[in-house]
Amino acid sequence: DTGVSQDPRHKITKRGQNVTFRCDPISEHNRLYWYRQTLGQGPEFLTYFQNEAQLEKSRLLSDRFSAERPKGSFSTLEIQRTEQGDSAMYLCASSSSTGRNIQYFGAGTRLSVL
Amino acid sequence: GENVEQHPSTLSVQEGDSAVIKCTYSDSASNYFPWYKQELGKRPQLIIDIRSNVGEKKDQRIAVTLNKTAKHFSLHITETQPEDSAVYFCAARTSSASKIIFGSGTRLSIRP
Repeated sequence: DTGVSQDPRHKITKRGQNVTFRCDPISEHNRLYWYRQTLGQGPEFLTYFQNEAQLEKSRLLSDRFSAERPKGSFSTLEIQRTEQGDSAMYLCASSSSTGRNIQYFGAGTRLSVL
Repeated sequence: GENVEQHPSTLSVQEGDSAVIKCTYSDSASNYFPWYKQELGKRPQLIIDIRSNVGEKKDQRIAVTLNKTAKHFSLHITETQPEDSAVYFCAARTSSASKIIFGSGTRLSIRP
């Protein structure tokens, strides 16, 4: 599968623990986006990278959330001191700044905070 | 702030009939409007998109219309089939780089 891949697919954690998710974009894509999706809702934007630079962050992204894309390829999203309200599907998408800039989504990481 | 409203939240149609989903957006600077289909447990997948310089676009059984003056856009699916059952999301984007703002989704069910 040469699409966007995310790991892990599922994560169960206890409240207060830290979790980290990984996203590998389509190889030639220089833009990478993180979204959060809760049941019955559309994806909500969290943050966006162009190459290694984090260019935009949503107000939804509290201080407990941090994202990195150190080499402009894969990205990680870390949530510190998880809360039950963090339970959601975390989706990654990537796009190319050349051409139509269509965002292609990964299958997501489903986080459950107990 | 930026907002996309989507209606209806659920839609059930007889197989072979047409389905229409409607969206409105708040940011008049929006210039790109994708539609994504998400099957249960799967990733959102782009099914069609339209840019602000076009009023209508069609791809086989799927068409999208855009009214920039009214800030409305719609998805039309004709001759619906069981495999069309899914959640459909409309979305809007204001620049080539910025995030996509999604609607809340429409759960489409096709009755045999």
